[in-house]
Amino acid sequence: QQQVKQSPQSLIVQKGGISIINCAYENTAFDYFPWYQQFPGKGPALLIAIRPDVSEKKEGRFTISFNKSAKQFSLHIMDSQPGDSATYFCAASMEYGNKLVFGAGTILRVKS
Amino acid sequence: GAVVSQHPSWVICKSGTSVKIECRSLDFQATTMFWYRQFPKQSLMLMATSNEGSKATYEQGVEKDKFLINHASLTLSTLTVTSAHPEDSSFYICSGGGGLAGSTDTQYFGPGTRLTVL
Repeated sequence: QQQVKQSPQSLIVQKGGISIINCAYENTAFDYFPWYQQFPGKGPALLIAIRPDVSEKKEGRFTISFNKSAKQFSLHIMDSQPGDSATYFCAASMEYGNKLVFGAGTILRVKS
Repeated sequence: GAVVSQHPSWVICKSGTSVKIECRSLDFQATTMFWYRQFPKQSLMLMATSNEGSKATYEQGVEKDKFLINHASLTLSTLTVTSAHPEDSSFYICSGGGGLAGSTDTQYFGPGTRLTVL
């Protein structure tokens, strides 16, 4: 119940295309869903996050779509660029305790 | 944005020695700090959660006597790997949450420390 399942494991997208990464969770007590971007040898950087009271959040080229009834959320990267090539992690937490449960990660490669 | 630093960024040590890694929140007070380890091409594995001035809470399977965590102030936490062995070689990452950084849910990560034990 504490797991967050992330797919796909890896993704190759053409420059200018849309990258879509999906996550699913079981624990309905989760109420905070961030996405992190990690480059090799670096720590994860917070990209965008959402709470269950909204179904979509957009920041620049990055959009989170959230489906509370299906217990799923996804990251869409519009106009994907080679510089977006990185590993992306979804995560979830309950407000109390702040512990993040991470997905397995998606390696994104954007081909120029 | 909130900045977390780690020192050192990489360390090589001999088997049996101890290594200390520092994690600092530079522009906010982290009421809670977290320590993770990450193996190549894998996700982050939470090792422990620490709150300033209190004992760390370790995840199941993490040896508390081997991975000593101290959270001495709202801006500094340290992880000491005692009697390190080659299997402890990994990428260690800390994060800080809460305080002036904004939402108490948000965790801001440090750049990581690469530990290699020979």
